[in-house]
Amino acid sequence: SQTIHQWPATLVQPVGSPLSLECTVEGTSNPNLYWYRQAAGRGLQLLFYSVGIGQISSEVPQNLSASRPQDRQFILSSKKLLLSDSGFYLCAWSVFRGRNEQFFGPGTRLTVL
Amino acid sequence: SQKIEQNSEALNIQEGKTATLTCNYTNYSPAYLQWYRQDPGRGPVFLLLIRENEKEKRKERLKVTFDTTLKQSLFHITASQPADSATYLCALDKTGGFKTIFGAGTRLFVKA
Repeated sequence: SQTIHQWPATLVQPVGSPLSLECTVEGTSNPNLYWYRQAAGRGLQLLFYSVGIGQISSEVPQNLSASRPQDRQFILSSKKLLLSDSGFYLCAWSVFRGRNEQFFGPGTRLTVL
Repeated sequence: SQKIEQNSEALNIQEGKTATLTCNYTNYSPAYLQWYRQDPGRGPVFLLLIRENEKEKRKERLKVTFDTTLKQSLFHITASQPADSATYLCALDKTGGFKTIFGAGTRLFVKA
């Protein structure tokens, strides 16, 4: 069966510090991968998606970046965090293009102070 | 711009009753509509997907309807249980797209 891992579960970082969140998927090949951010009481905001190794599409301008160095690994990064980067970050995967039933990881709660 | 509206007020119901949650959308023609459950501090869990040419879909105690004329989906949980208490998210998709649009969700509380 497929599983998705995210770490760390929680993170408290000072403004201006770098960020690296990692997501890995097991039990499937060539998944579509997604990074979302969820603010309290708000819907999920799609940040990046990837259909293959090295292929990244960005949805919103921001100081975040994403990379996919391996088929089942997706990394979210920032060189300098802003207060507004605080939120709940979720990684997800899907198989079918367009049908997009997505399977989410446990999330990372990021607090920027 | 595309917009999904879910009732921001929490829904409180008694155990055993049917819970009905609403999802309305504008400026969008989705090919698929999905419902997810999200517990506090956790990632959403996929529940049901319904296509634009389907009127209704059922899974155990769950039922989803999709009215593309009204631009609305209703999500029903019959014989609700306290364990059904969670936030339920509605999401829309187009054929061939990756940009699933999620609503903010409705919080459901089922009292024993």
